[in-house]
Amino acid sequence: EAGVTQSPTHLIKTRGQQATLRCSPISGHTSVYWYQQALGLGLQFLLWYDEGEERNRGNFPPRFSGRQFPNYSSELNVNALELEDSALYLCASSLRLNQNIQYFGAGTRLSVL
Amino acid sequence: QKEVEQDPGPLSVPEGAIVSLNCTYSNSAFQYFMWYRQYSRKGPELLMYTYSSGNKEDGRFTAQVDKSSKYISLFIRDSQPSDSATYLCAMSDQAGTALIFGKGTTLSVSS
Repeated sequence: EAGVTQSPTHLIKTRGQQATLRCSPISGHTSVYWYQQALGLGLQFLLWYDEGEERNRGNFPPRFSGRQFPNYSSELNVNALELEDSALYLCASSLRLNQNIQYFGAGTRLSVL
Repeated sequence: QKEVEQDPGPLSVPEGAIVSLNCTYSNSAFQYFMWYRQYSRKGPELLMYTYSSGNKEDGRFTAQVDKSSKYISLFIRDSQPSDSATYLCAMSDQAGTALIFGKGTTLSVSS
């Protein structure tokens, strides 16, 4: 069974540009979570989607947004990129009935120059 | 005070040693506790999941939760070089909310 897949693996952007990151959850999982792992800060919760709806968001500015598609895949968009947005962005998925057990993808490493 | 505190290490041990990794937390509402292992340039891999207090064992790994002390531990017996990774504790107060992570402890097991 395929795990959580994320694309692209690496993304290089310049300040002010927009970045789009993609995530496909494990088959049967309806919840998708996005986390940011910046150097020295640990994993920080960004967004949670379930059944196509945004259910919760972390303490990040509105230029971090996303959506979940009918097939439960998800997209994270970061607008007006800043240098400090450089980080590993991790997507996780879970079953609706066991939402604390989250399985992670390998991440997208975003570098903002 | 941060919600979850975890000693970043690095922790270096010889092969075969027993490793103890720990996290403390401040939010008494936390009741779901996880340990993840993250290899370099990879995503976190779920190792152990515990609800409320108590112990859970899986092979060489044992997770302990002491809610009265707000303290959780992961023990690794007979450590192997392949255990060299960063270990992250994570917790939440209810199903479906965000996981709150420690910053991770880097473990190195030498052969």
